[in-house]
Amino acid sequence: GDSVTQMEGPVTLSEEAFLTINCTYTATGYPSLFWYVQYPGEGLQLLLKATKADDKGSNKGFEATYRKETTSFHLEKGSVQVSDSAVYFCALEGQNFVFGPGTRLSVLP
Amino acid sequence: DVKVTQSSRYLVKRTGEKVFLECVQDMDHENMFWYRQDPGLGLRLIYFSYDVKMKEKGDIPEGYSVSREKKERFSLILESASTNQTSMYLCASSLPGGELPQHFGDGTRLSIL
Repeated sequence: GDSVTQMEGPVTLSEEAFLTINCTYTATGYPSLFWYVQYPGEGLQLLLKATKADDKGSNKGFEATYRKETTSFHLEKGSVQVSDSAVYFCALEGQNFVFGPGTRLSVLP
Repeated sequence: DVKVTQSSRYLVKRTGEKVFLECVQDMDHENMFWYRQDPGLGLRLIYFSYDVKMKEKGDIPEGYSVSREKKERFSLILESASTNQTSMYLCASSLPGGELPQHFGDGTRLSIL
C-alpha cells in the first residue's frame, strides 16, 4: 500500500539556519503530495501541496518540489524563525490519504 | 475559510465509560475522517466516511465506532473506554478528489483514567 517516510526528529536549528526535512513516498499511480504543520496545541494546517511531477509548492518561505524520479517531496526553508517551531507532516493522497510520522522542529533564538 | 470544529479541547473520562467525540464542518464536505495522534506514531486513521450514513474502517478501528447522521457532523464513539485510548483525536474533512487537502480541527486531548 501507499506509504510516507520522513526523517526522524527532533530537528534543532538556530534562527536563520537553512532547513531541510526529507520525505519520500511509495505509491501506485500519481499521488498528490502535501506538507502539513502542527503548531503547539493546535490541529494540522496545510502548508503547501503539489499535484504532479515537477510541481513546486510554496508558502510562508517554505518550498517543496514533487520529484517523481526519486519519489521525494523534501521540505526546505532558507532561513528559519523561532515561530517555525512545530511538527511537520508529509502526506500523500493516492488511493488513500497517508501521513508520515511527523518531524518536530525546534528553532532556537 | 473551512472550519472544522471539535466539541471539546480536553476531556477526561473513566475506564469503561462510553465516550462521544463530536466534529462539525461548515463547508459541505462529503468526506470526514477521525485520526488519533500519538508520539512517535504520527496520525493513524480510525474511521472515515464518504457520505451520510456511510462509514469505512481505517487502520485502527478496534474499540471505536462512528456515526454520520448528517453531512456536517461526524461522531467518534468509544464504546467502553480503556486507558490505551488516551490520545489526541483529530477530525478532518475534505471534498472528493486528490487535489484538495484535508482540513483539520484543533483536536481533542482525551485522557482515560
